[in-house]
Amino acid sequence: AQSVTQPDIHITVSEGASLELRCNYSYGATPYLFWYVQSPGQGLQLLLKYFSGDTLVQGIKGFEAEFKRSQSSFNLRKPSVHWSDAAEYFCAVEGGSYIPTFGRGTSLIVHP
Amino acid sequence: DADVTQTPRNRITKTGKRIMLECSQTKGHDRMYWYRQDPGLGLRLIYYSFDVKDINKGEISDGYSVSRQAQAKFSLSLESAIPNQTALYFCATQRDDTQYFGPGTRLTVL
Repeated sequence: AQSVTQPDIHITVSEGASLELRCNYSYGATPYLFWYVQSPGQGLQLLLKYFSGDTLVQGIKGFEAEFKRSQSSFNLRKPSVHWSDAAEYFCAVEGGSYIPTFGRGTSLIVHP
Repeated sequence: DADVTQTPRNRITKTGKRIMLECSQTKGHDRMYWYRQDPGLGLRLIYYSFDVKDINKGEISDGYSVSRQAQAKFSLSLESAIPNQTALYFCATQRDDTQYFGPGTRLTVL
């Protein structure tokens, strides 16, 4: 069975500071990994995804994530956070079944 | 225009009422999904459909039913709504393992 853990329920950062959101997954083989963002009052939007190849993945809005097989992690990073990045972030894992499992989400709060 | 639309966007209903949430898509995707989102629980899969003739239960299908009327339409029904079905409901399509979400329906069951 596949599962995802997002250890942090809330993260607070100051505008301009760097950001790292943690994601750990459980899956028996090489997974497909995703980060989605949910802005207030909206549906989820894909930020980036990893299927294979280069373990550092670039996404939209200046985000990147690194797949580390040895740590079963897929952490999301951004070097400088903007106030508009305040949102809920979801990590997801899928094993090629077209049925993803989502984490519980991390709420990002950005202070001016 | 949005590629995945959901109606209604907000709904308040009473315990025991039947309610239908509708989802339409213009993306031409075969795979469609219904999720519910509860605070602190993330998204949980209710039902999914890989084509018009294929309907499958997700992890929390009890109390729900679905209908795939066409490739573009996938409806979720609550036959007899109960308060713990109060949640935010999302429809999504999928292609190339990427999900495309609608804006959500906020349902309140009193």
